Amino acid sequence: QQQVKQSPQSLIVQKGGISIINCAYENTAFDYFPWYQQFPGKGPALLIAIRPDVSEKKEGRFTISFNKSAKQFSLHIMDSQPGDSATYFCAASRSSSNTGKLIFGQGTTLQVKP
Amino acid sequence: DVKVTQSSRYLVKRTGEKVFLECVQDMDHENMFWYRQDPGLGLRLIYFSYDVKMKEKGDIPEGYSVSREKKERFSLILESASTNQTSMYLCASSALQGAVYGYTFGSGTRLTVV
Repeated sequence: QQQVKQSPQSLIVQKGGISIINCAYENTAFDYFPWYQQFPGKGPALLIAIRPDVSEKKEGRFTISFNKSAKQFSLHIMDSQPGDSATYFCAASRSSSNTGKLIFGQGTTLQVKP
Repeated sequence: DVKVTQSSRYLVKRTGEKVFLECVQDMDHENMFWYRQDPGLGLRLIYFSYDVKMKEKGDIPEGYSVSREKKERFSLILESASTNQTSMYLCASSALQGAVYGYTFGSGTRLTVV
């Protein structure tokens, strides 16, 4: 019940294309769903996050889509650029928890070809 | 600029050695975390601490211990290093209920046990 499953493990997209990464969770107590972006040699950094009271959140070229009934959420990167090449992690948490513990997915390595 | 600093970028240790990985944060955060990152397995929580001298086991605590004597410092200890502990280790910190404010990660320590 604590797992977050992420797919695909790797993704290759042409410049200008749409990158889509999917995640699924089991624990219905989760109410906060962030995505983290990690460049080589760096730690992950918060990219964008969503709560289940909305079905979509957009920040620039990055959009999270959320389907509460299916317990799934996805990251869409529009007009993908070579600079977006990185590893992406979805995560889930109970926002009421004082320890703020995040459960991460398995990660997706995105390569955007010029 | 807020920081989480991990003392070593690369470490090579011998099987059976006691290994210390150090992490320091300058944000006065209550929560600190140790994750290991392995391809295809994502970020797996080893231990976390929500206060000085307080610690809780994560998902994969076996073979590890931690120490938090000061708020800013969180150490991961491999009591007797084994080859299956070869991995990238990431330290993170967050404020209370920090999931919703984001984790700040260090750049990681790549540990090789030979």
